[in-house]
Amino acid sequence: NAGVTQTPKFRILKIGQSMTLQCAQDMNHNYMYWYRQDPGMGLKLIYYSVGAGITDKGEVPNGYNVSRSTTEDFPLRLELAAPSQTSVYFCASSQLEREAFFGQGTRLTVV
Amino acid sequence: DQQVKQNSPSLSVQEGRISILNCDYTNSMFDYFLWYKKYPAEGPTFLISISSIKDKNEDGRFTVFLNKSAKHLSLHIVPSQPGDSAVYFCAAKVRDMRFGAGTRLTVKP
Repeated sequence: NAGVTQTPKFRILKIGQSMTLQCAQDMNHNYMYWYRQDPGMGLKLIYYSVGAGITDKGEVPNGYNVSRSTTEDFPLRLELAAPSQTSVYFCASSQLEREAFFGQGTRLTVV
Repeated sequence: DQQVKQNSPSLSVQEGRISILNCDYTNSMFDYFLWYKKYPAEGPTFLISISSIKDKNEDGRFTVFLNKSAKHLSLHIVPSQPGDSAVYFCAAKVRDMRFGAGTRLTVKP
């Protein structure tokens, strides 16, 4: 029972590089979310999806893109990495009116 | 626009006593509320939740209270144990799910 799997766990990017953070869930959940957590802060919602083919912006979407071509996968794309995107990124999934399950996080550093 | 607020960054209690963590929200459309526990270098772990049609939900030592008129919820932990020491986040859902800034709970033996 894998739950929510995030890859990679750690990554260092140079300014201007791009990368994709992968997120996969095996619970057949309709809802998926991407959050970032800066040191000493709460979780800020970047993007979320209520089902395959549907995505919506959260609180801090600038600099990111997402897609949801399948129920299982919800990748987060950074096109032009900036130091302000240094953070820990968490992916989560849930059903409506139920708790969300989180992945272990991806620690990203942009230098 | 901070829709979910936890105004106490930290709380320290003695083992065996009650811990009360508070959370306020501004969006009256929220219909489901949750508490998560988080350890360093791990993802948040679900603790307990409550639907907006209820005012109380219990699960063992954990009870969540919801006061919709005041847009306020609280988490009570009784009795508190040293293993409860962690950061606690409240969250609120409509279609998306928003989090507060967290409260660091320390339970002293």
